[in-house]
Amino acid sequence: DAGVTQSPTHLIKTRGQQVTLRCSPISGHKSVSWYQQVLGQGPQFIFQYYEKEERGRGNFPDRFSARQFPNYSSELNVNALLLGDSALYLCASSLAEGTWPQHFGDGTRLSIL
Amino acid sequence: LAKITQPISMDSYEGQEVNITCSHNNIATNDYITWYQQFPSQGPRFIIQGYKTKVTNEVASLFIPADRKSSTLSLPRVSLSDTAVYYCLVGGSTGGGNKLTFGTGTQLKVEL
Repeated sequence: DAGVTQSPTHLIKTRGQQVTLRCSPISGHKSVSWYQQVLGQGPQFIFQYYEKEERGRGNFPDRFSARQFPNYSSELNVNALLLGDSALYLCASSLAEGTWPQHFGDGTRLSIL
Repeated sequence: LAKITQPISMDSYEGQEVNITCSHNNIATNDYITWYQQFPSQGPRFIIQGYKTKVTNEVASLFIPADRKSSTLSLPRVSLSDTAVYYCLVGGSTGGGNKLTFGTGTQLKVEL
């Protein structure tokens, strides 16, 4: 069975641009979460979606937004990119809200020039 | 939120047993303890989860004392491929959905 898939794997943008990252959860999983991992640190929670509704939000500015589609895939959007947004963006899925464990994809490496 | 403390790094040799202890003094009643492993440029991989006493699976054991203020991940007979960052997480399913709070993790280095 396919795991969590994310696209693209790598992305280079410049300051001020906008980016969209995509995530397909494991088949049957209805909950998707997004995390940002800066080099040398642990992942930081950004959003959680379940049944197309936002169920949790971390301490990130409004430049970050996300949505979940009827097929449970998800997109993370970041506007007005800053140098500090350079990070590995991870998507995780689980069967439902509050179920364990969360399974992670290998992320999208975003570099801001 | 539970404050999590774990060693920044540990060194070991192939074939040895490695124990990584995590401190979580203010763990909540409904919190579970979960460990993830992460290799460079990959997403975290679930290792084991427990609530109390001892849990064992095919790759690790998790020991949790009665007061649940700490936990120990035990990796039997490590190999070079176990070199990775290990994260201890504490959390449950209440409020905030599946929000996981990661610390800085423990960098385990296994040598020949």
